[in-house]
Amino acid sequence: SQTIHQWPATLVQPVGSPLSLECTVEGTSNPNLYWYRQAAGRGLQLLFYSVGIGQISSEVPQNLSASRPQDRQFILSSKKLLLSDSGFYLCAWSIRGRELFFGEGSRLTVL
Amino acid sequence: QQQVKQSPQSLIVQKGGIPIINCAYENTAFDYFPWYQQFPGKGPALLIAIRPDVSEKKEGRFTISFNKSAKQFSLHIMDSQPGDSATYFCAASKSGGGTSYGKLTFGQGTILTVHP
Repeated sequence: SQTIHQWPATLVQPVGSPLSLECTVEGTSNPNLYWYRQAAGRGLQLLFYSVGIGQISSEVPQNLSASRPQDRQFILSSKKLLLSDSGFYLCAWSIRGRELFFGEGSRLTVL
Repeated sequence: QQQVKQSPQSLIVQKGGIPIINCAYENTAFDYFPWYQQFPGKGPALLIAIRPDVSEKKEGRFTISFNKSAKQFSLHIMDSQPGDSATYFCAASKSGGGTSYGKLTFGQGTILTVHP
């Protein structure tokens, strides 16, 4: 069966520090991968999605970047965090179909 | 045109009640409408989904009603339980090739509280 792992689960970082959130999917190949951000426990904002290795599409201009170095690995990064980057970050995957499978999320607090 | 509007923002019902959450969309190219359930501190999970060729789909206590002409769909939870307390998201996507395939547009979410 397919599983998705996301880490770290919780992160507290100072303003201006770098960020790296990692997501890996097991049990499938060539998935579509997504990074979402959820602010204030509500709406889901799509940040990045990828249909293959090295193929990244950005939905909104921001302080973050994403990379897909391997087929089932998706990384969210920042060189210098801002206060506004705080939130709940969710990685998700799908196989060309409609159902989206989410990870458990990473809660980032920028102080 | 890509928006999905969800209401209400929050909803409180008593155990056994039937909460109803509504969503409206504008893009007539949307052809897949899922609902996701999210518990605090967890990622959302697919609850039930419908395609526009049917007007209703039922899975257990959860029912989606779909009105294609009005471009609206709704989630009904029969005999609601305290364990149903969660945030519910509607979403929509359209078929088609390329990178747009599978991208979901989410509503803003409804926080449901079911009192014992």
